[in-house]
Amino acid sequence: EPEVTQTPSHQVTQMGQEVILRCVPISNHLYFYWYRQILGQKVEFLVSFYNNEISEKSEIFDDQFSVERPDGSNFTLKIRSTKLEDSAMYFCASTAGLNTEAFFGQGTRLTVV
Amino acid sequence: AQSVTQPDIHITVSEGASLELRCNYSYGATPYLFWYVQSPGQGLQLLLKYFSGDTLVQGIKGFEAEFKRSQSSFNLRKPSVHWSDAAEYFCAVDLNTGNQFYFGTGTSLTVIP
Repeated sequence: EPEVTQTPSHQVTQMGQEVILRCVPISNHLYFYWYRQILGQKVEFLVSFYNNEISEKSEIFDDQFSVERPDGSNFTLKIRSTKLEDSAMYFCASTAGLNTEAFFGQGTRLTVV
Repeated sequence: AQSVTQPDIHITVSEGASLELRCNYSYGATPYLFWYVQSPGQGLQLLLKYFSGDTLVQGIKGFEAEFKRSQSSFNLRKPSVHWSDAAEYFCAVDLNTGNQFYFGTGTSLTVIP
């Protein structure tokens, strides 16, 4: 069964450092997303991406965040200067089309120290 | 504002007992509705979804959910829980605006022998 894969599974970084979280969506999917889940809280939408551009973003997704699809397979989330409050589980998701099932990756746990 | 409410933060049931997890949404029209399950350290797995048609939907692992428009609810049920069902359950809605899911805060399920 096709799946969304995320690397690394756990990333520890120092405050102020840049991090890049990587995702490989399902190959024939067209829409890509990042969500985050702060420990003990609900899953929150960050950004959606379609046709090589951001289609929607939440207020959480400020100038410190960026997304990129550098090639035909990877979808990355970059945090330029991490803060302690960026510590969370970050989930990548992809869908084949609008209003269809979203497939989520296993998540990357980001710990900012 | 649109919202998803899961009133029960934590539920404990005995193995073999029936289960109902509540979900209410606040939105003017009928959104697309989903239930996801998250096992410890894992990503989000889709249990079932409702787009239209029959209001009682069947999902994986013996789960079902019923959409009730009059109550703005989409409760998840299982007639007989198994110890392996212990996990976090998230209700989510898609407001048909591009697959931005709004997640509930989750219900943690504990299954006792």
